[in-house]
Formats: sequence, C-alpha cells, structure tokens
Amino acid sequence: DTEVTQTPKHLVMGMTNKKSLKCEQHMGHRAMYWYKQKAKKPPELMFVYSYEKLSINESVPSRFSPECPNSSLLNLHLHALQPEDSALYLCASSLRGDAYNEQFFGPGTRLTVL
Amino acid sequence: GIQVEQSPPDLILQEGANSTLRCNFSDSVNNLQWFHQNPWGQLINLFYIPSGTKQNGRLSATTVATERYSLLYISSSQTTDSGVYFCAVRGSGTYKYIFGTGTRLKVLA
Repeated sequence: DTEVTQTPKHLVMGMTNKKSLKCEQHMGHRAMYWYKQKAKKPPELMFVYSYEKLSINESVPSRFSPECPNSSLLNLHLHALQPEDSALYLCASSLRGDAYNEQFFGPGTRLTVL
Repeated sequence: GIQVEQSPPDLILQEGANSTLRCNFSDSVNNLQWFHQNPWGQLINLFYIPSGTKQNGRLSATTVATERYSLLYISSSQTTDSGVYFCAVRGSGTYKYIFGTGTRLKVLA
C-alpha cells in the first residue's frame, strides 16, 4: 500500500481562525514532509520530520506549526493566516529521510484564506 | 542550492504523438524522481531514477547523472497524459527535495 492520506480535501478559513491539516501513512515510513504549492508553481518544502523529530524548517512563519505525534501521523496547525497563504498543501513520506529514498505524496489540501 | 530547470515549459500534442521532456540540474544529486501532477493536484510517482534507464508502459526515463540531466519519454500520448510533469532532485547529505520548474503538457484528442 503506497498511500498517503490527507484531510480535509478543501478548507476555507478566516484570518482569525485556528485549523489543522492532517496527514497519515501506514507504510512504515519514518520521514514525513509538508510542502506548499502556489498556482502554476512547483511545490516548495516547508518542513521535514525524520523519526518524529523536526529536521528541517525552511524559515516558515510561526503561524504554521507542524506536529508529528507518532511515526504515522503528521499535522500542520494553522493560526492567524494571511490571504497569501492560500495554496495547495501537500504531505509526503519516504522510508527514511536520507537521500536514497522515494517520496510518496498525498492528494493535498486546498486552502483558501479569506 | 541546486537549480533545476525543465524544458519545454509548455507542450501541446495531438493524441498519439511522442514527446521528450528534459530536466537539467546544476549539481550532483543522489536522488531524482519524475512526477505527473493531475488537474486535481495529486502528484503521481512516475519514476525513481537517480541514474540509468527505466521503462513503464508508454513511459520511459533516462538519467545521466555525470552530465546532470534526465529525460522523460512519452510515447503514443493520450489525453489522460495531460497535466504538469515535474522532476525533483535531492543532493547528498540533505533531506531537501528541489522541484524543477515543470512542463505543462496538453494532449488534444
């Protein structure tokens, strides 16, 4: 099973709301990733977790807060977002976090901030 | 950091035509993947190909790591091949994948 699931599929939120995105995989992968993709642009890495520890934070604003409660689950907590944060948020996983592993992506959450 | 350029940026084909998409990268890499992003945003794995040649049905890919490029071949294209094709690379000693600029493909019936 090479499946990464993400919920919700779509999310509309106001600038004062708090919401969370969820990502799950049951492939035994120990590295998980959050990407942000704006329209007509390639995905850009936000965070990497390896063995449930944050390994990379690509200078993402603190209004995005990642969490990895266990090896199968990755959350992205959202608070006080701006309209320019509207984008497709993609989660991915790989067996390990080193260079030699294939990444698998979830279907994404399409976020609109009003 | 590594720069990844893809060409052509846009491509329109008639159904049944063949095409070659190119991915150039600026430094040595340990990992390279090709993805197809469908109109709903899902990134579909096509190939994991840090070096060598692979084939999967109508698709094949070749990576020449020493010359810093990879090619994706699509034969007998179908309308369902439409979408954006990305290559993504990862250098040694890093968790970070860098995506290329993408090739937007439209296949006409």
